[in-house]
Amino acid sequence: QSALTQPASVSGSPGQSITISCTGTSSDVGGYNYVSWYQQHPGKAPKLMIYDVSNRPSGVSNRFSGSKSGNTASLTISGLQAEDEADYYCSSYTISDTLSFVFGTGTKVTVL
Amino acid sequence: QVQLVESGGGVVQPGGSLRLSCAASGFTFSSYGMHWVRQAPGKGLEWVAFIRYDGSNKYYADSVKGRFTISRDNSKNTLYLQMNSLRAEDTAVYYCAKESPSGYANDYWGQGTLVTVSS
Repeated sequence: QSALTQPASVSGSPGQSITISCTGTSSDVGGYNYVSWYQQHPGKAPKLMIYDVSNRPSGVSNRFSGSKSGNTASLTISGLQAEDEADYYCSSYTISDTLSFVFGTGTKVTVL
Repeated sequence: QVQLVESGGGVVQPGGSLRLSCAASGFTFSSYGMHWVRQAPGKGLEWVAFIRYDGSNKYYADSVKGRFTISRDNSKNTLYLQMNSLRAEDTAVYYCAKESPSGYANDYWGQGTLVTVSS
């Protein structure tokens, strides 16, 4: 159950687009279309932004989009806004000897 | 609206026990699986445990297997986490989270309860 690998930090100017990667293995990210993404502001609970690789829950801005290629999933934030500054975590369903879930290492997004 | 409220956190000595609770409202609790996820101070999220909607199956992270037990009482709309043989590395904010309708994400989270393991 090793954590998925994310870049420690990503930054961008308001209005720009940024992409956060999430790299796993064929046992997790690459094996299932069950990658989700969470946004967490300091001192707050995580918020679901993307589920099942590319689906947005009701109420989440369409500036957030998800995709996957092989063992790497990605979250793209377009039209970056100040309120997007937060930590972002990916997560994947996985089965090794038993069902489990694994989170990514987390990415701090800074709006310049 | 969906609400998840954790309780039971506190300070406990290494080797001690603690039971966390998560009171759910605003949805049909007995229809959804539930998770516990923790976050050590200044660190990332770590999945801890999952229980199916009817309590029939339970799954644990290797780091807590054999020490933690997840359970639920659907008549009380409450999720539990019994934590035994606690270690310093179990110090974290513990969140309960609802399974999404698709089954593989967490669409609602509580605000968390802090567990500190220290002598």
